Amino acid sequence: DQQVKQNSPSLSVQEGRISILNCDYTNSMFDYFLWYKKYPAEGPTFLISISSIKDKNEDGRFTVFLNKSAKHLSLHIVPSQPGDSAVYFCAAYSGGSNYKLTFGKGTLLTVNP
Amino acid sequence: DVKVTQSSRYLVKRTGEKVFLECVQDMDHENMFWYRQDPGLGLRLIYFSYDVKMKEKGDIPEGYSVSREKKERFSLILESASTNQTSMYLCASSLLGQAFKQYFGPGTRLTVT
Repeated sequence: DQQVKQNSPSLSVQEGRISILNCDYTNSMFDYFLWYKKYPAEGPTFLISISSIKDKNEDGRFTVFLNKSAKHLSLHIVPSQPGDSAVYFCAAYSGGSNYKLTFGKGTLLTVNP
Repeated sequence: DVKVTQSSRYLVKRTGEKVFLECVQDMDHENMFWYRQDPGLGLRLIYFSYDVKMKEKGDIPEGYSVSREKKERFSLILESASTNQTSMYLCASSLLGQAFKQYFGPGTRLTVT
């Protein structure tokens, strides 16, 4: 059973426009939600996180929104740049003695110049 | 900056061989993780460790074992490699109190022929 879902395998946007990546989850016990970014031939890098008690977190061009009632989060990138082209993974963490992250399958973002 | 290194970027092994993948982190992190990444499946947790000599199974531990004799080093062992273990293997580490924020190595592309 997939607890973290990214339903769009790919997204293409124009440079300067907004990119919106979406993620849905099923487990209400998740404490944190995160976005990781991955370039080809590199490991994923942490991008931004949000606690389950918040509904928005912003870091520069990146903003994550959490809608707990809909079990949905989104990552907004404004303005998008060609260097943002990468695979973005949504992940969730339930804390306690369970140390693991549950990842979505990823969304390939392509930002066209 | 946290640095997580993996012993090989590319590895080719034959079916039935015993394979060792090594991971070293330099930030004194308590937690270490092994994932595999496959197209369309995202990142899946194989094993993790929260202390020296401690290990916990992840979602897909079958066919794998791990070893953590020193805090900075976490090894993944394929006892008898099979073709379905051809994959990208990613190691990660994190602080005990921030298990949700993981730092990844560059990955090892393993091909089993």
